[in-house]
Amino acid sequence: NFMLTQPHSVSESPGKTVTISCTGSSGSIASNYVQWYQQRPGSAPTTVIYEDNQRPSGVPDRFSGSIDSSSNSASLTISGLKTEDEADYYCQSYDSSNHGVFGGGTKLTVL
Amino acid sequence: QVQLVQSGAEVKKPGASVKVSCKASGYTFTSYGISWVRQAPGQGLEWMGWISAYNGNTNYAQKLQGRVTMTTDTSTSTAYMELRSLRSDDTAVYYCARIGWPSGWFDPWGQGTLVTVSS
Repeated sequence: NFMLTQPHSVSESPGKTVTISCTGSSGSIASNYVQWYQQRPGSAPTTVIYEDNQRPSGVPDRFSGSIDSSSNSASLTISGLKTEDEADYYCQSYDSSNHGVFGGGTKLTVL
Repeated sequence: QVQLVQSGAEVKKPGASVKVSCKASGYTFTSYGISWVRQAPGQGLEWMGWISAYNGNTNYAQKLQGRVTMTTDTSTSTAYMELRSLRSDDTAVYYCARIGWPSGWFDPWGQGTLVTVSS
């Protein structure tokens, strides 16, 4: 079964840059697009990156996404960290049966 | 604006069924699919399946096969998710989300529906 693995938590200071990784278990992560969702406590998820590196309207350009085929991983980078970025972040893609797959989520602390 | 509004919280006994609705507005309902995702308390997101609002085709998560049914009513732009034979570990917030193509990204999401399974 295809799985996506994320670090459980990351922390960084305001104004700094943080990168969250999402590693595919098998096959090529580049075979299907990767999305990233932000979820604040008590709220539904919202999209911050879709189709590997596209930002929905309204998402600041401090958020960027990339794919590294050599490590079979996707990354979400947030620059100029703000306290409002503190949230859980989930990567998402699909397996070969077109079943959705989520990473386990990463708790970002901005301290 | 594009919006998905879900039905209210439910409390069910083990073995019962629940049906959650998701009413869409602000776009052509039959041009997109709807996916369902759930989140147990304190846990991550779990994909449950999707349904095409165009032709009703479905694709369910293997672990829920036989217990879940997703349907749509195009006359009211509403999607439904029914889960049967409920167990305590089905207690979760259930979300619907519109599926964008070609990547299949989920946006927007409904506000979520808490389903509590307890005797």
